[in-house]
Amino acid sequence: QSVLTQPPSVSAAPGQKVTMSCSGSSSNIENNYASWYRQLPGTAPKLLIYENNKRPSGIPDRFSGSKSGTSATLGITGLQTGDEADYYCATWDSSLSAHVFGTGTKVTVL
Amino acid sequence: QLQLQESGPGLVKPSETLSLTCTVSGDSISTNNYFWGWVRQPPGKGLEWIGSADYSGNTWYKPSLKSRVTISVDTSKNQFSLKLSSVTAADTAFYYCARHAISGSHDCWGQGTLVTVSS
Repeated sequence: QSVLTQPPSVSAAPGQKVTMSCSGSSSNIENNYASWYRQLPGTAPKLLIYENNKRPSGIPDRFSGSKSGTSATLGITGLQTGDEADYYCATWDSSLSAHVFGTGTKVTVL
Repeated sequence: QLQLQESGPGLVKPSETLSLTCTVSGDSISTNNYFWGWVRQPPGKGLEWIGSADYSGNTWYKPSLKSRVTISVDTSKNQFSLKLSSVTAADTAFYYCARHAISGSHDCWGQGTLVTVSS
């Protein structure tokens, strides 16, 4: 029962765009940085977005992040079959004094 | 290039202590800019932060696990470790070590290791 809620799944055809939300509260998303991770089957998570909207070196600009109030959003454009994975948001929760991860969203490429 | 590698037993008996070590290569663990932590994931489920430490030995733990968790840093070996006591089947999970920045983003992860709690 995470404090960050994500849609269980999103899907789109190759080349299309998907977005996924991460809904939190004033104690986490609203007042702390959000980050996003992609986890391919059987592998460790990989950082996609940090500090709400910044991409680490090597992450293509197909991936974008934004934040507004108590929600953060990850967008993926030019969807590829290799993008099929689980995606997690994360942030610090000031009330819990803990890092928290979202419930995760599974992306399916139709 | 920074790399993290977990090591430790893959099977732990109930009520015993789970012990894992993360070896850091490609950079020094003694940096003011990063923290060293553990994240776990029960098979088929989501990610759960366990705790973190800085190179000076300051620690932060998930409140619900705090009474059972110890994270320590050994700068001479460029390693950090996790101890989780009084384990039950609910502690069965993939355990990942990771580095995170002050902003909270975990930018480098180990490959993960499965720890099963069973008699």
